[in-house]
Amino acid sequence: DAGVTQSPTHLIKTRGQQVTLRCSPKSGHDTVSWYQQALGQGPQFIFQYYEEEERQRGNFPDRFSGHQFPNYSSELNVNALLLGDSALYLCASSSPGLAGGLYSETQYFGPGTRLLVL
Amino acid sequence: GQSLEQPSEVTAVEGAIVQINCTYQTSGFYGLSWYQQHDGGAPTFLSYNGLDGLEETGRFSSFLSRSDSYGYLLLQELQMKDSASYFCAVISWGKLQFGAGTQVVVTP
Repeated sequence: DAGVTQSPTHLIKTRGQQVTLRCSPKSGHDTVSWYQQALGQGPQFIFQYYEEEERQRGNFPDRFSGHQFPNYSSELNVNALLLGDSALYLCASSSPGLAGGLYSETQYFGPGTRLLVL
Repeated sequence: GQSLEQPSEVTAVEGAIVQINCTYQTSGFYGLSWYQQHDGGAPTFLSYNGLDGLEETGRFSSFLSRSDSYGYLLLQELQMKDSASYFCAVISWGKLQFGAGTQVVVTP
């Protein structure tokens, strides 16, 4: 049973460029969340996708956008990259929790994409 | 606003017991989770508390007191492989909010 996979593993971009990161959820999971983790910090919630729609969003600017496909895989797009966007980007998948989908008690994380903006 | 506080670092010897405390301030609280992350690795789920009380999973236990907005993770019989960062994370309004993490260093 494949876990959560992400691509690419590493990426180097320059300021102002755009980047697309990809995530395939764990088999049987329909919800994908994206997190940004700066060095030495905890993951920060960017947004969550369920049924191909953004369901929840954290405090990130509109430069951060995403998409979920019918097969539940997801993309994270970041436009107009800034130096401060350098971080580990984590994707996590989950199945509907006890509350019917909005709250997932357990999230399974992928290995992440390490983005460096120069 | 929302906040989570946990110690930045804890050092202990092999075989010891370590308790990592987490206090939180948030609206719409649903539950408290704990994740482990080794250097360069992905966070992995350890434990979840939705109700007050103790949850035990092998050498790890987690506790929640909703009235005190407080929880802890207990690591027993510490092993070298337990050296990692441990994050408490609050589930509220459908979002998972992580603390800054506690670096646990296990020494021989």
